[in-house]
Amino acid sequence: AQSVTQLDSQVPVFEEAPVELRCNYSSSVSVYLFWYVQYPNQGLQLLLKYLSGSTLVESINGFEAEFNKSQTSFHLRKPSVHISDTAEYFCAVSRTGTASKLTFGTGTRLQVTL
Amino acid sequence: DGGITQSPKYLFRKEGQNVTLSCEQNLNHDAMYWYRQDPGQGLRLIYYSQIVNDFQKGDIAEGYSVSREKKESFPLTVTSAQKNPTAFYLCASRSTTGQGQSPLHFGNGTRLTVT
Repeated sequence: AQSVTQLDSQVPVFEEAPVELRCNYSSSVSVYLFWYVQYPNQGLQLLLKYLSGSTLVESINGFEAEFNKSQTSFHLRKPSVHISDTAEYFCAVSRTGTASKLTFGTGTRLQVTL
Repeated sequence: DGGITQSPKYLFRKEGQNVTLSCEQNLNHDAMYWYRQDPGQGLRLIYYSQIVNDFQKGDIAEGYSVSREKKESFPLTVTSAQKNPTAFYLCASRSTTGQGQSPLHFGNGTRLTVT
């Protein structure tokens, strides 16, 4: 079985500062990796995903994540955050294959202030 | 617009009562999921269904039941046997065709409070 660890439950940051949200996974087989974002009282939305190919993946709103197999990590980064990025971010992992279930981390609350 | 509809948004029940949460999707997805979200615990899988008339237990199925009589619908019943039912419940679906793994599409959730 696979597992996901998000060590930081909360990350406070000032607007326009860079941020990194950490995600480490554990699995004995090949995996797919995902970052989802949740705004208050809403469901989750896919932010970005790694399935194969380039280890650096980007979202349309400036976030990026890099798959590091040797360190079993998939950290999420943004060089300059905005107030509207305030949300909860979930890292998720699944075994490769179309029918595999997702396992979610416990989430990191990103709080952006002026 | 295609999407997942969960209703109601807020639900209040007395302890000992069963309650059913609705989840409907018009995305033509085969697979549907129910997750429970509690503060600091992330999302935990309750039940999932890969195809109509078939479903499997997730990690925390005790005290819950589901049905999948139609492709579009996957209602979740929280029974009186569930010891801590107060939580935020999220329904999701995804396509199972194509290569790789398609992402989950989530509804906006139902917040259940049992007193």
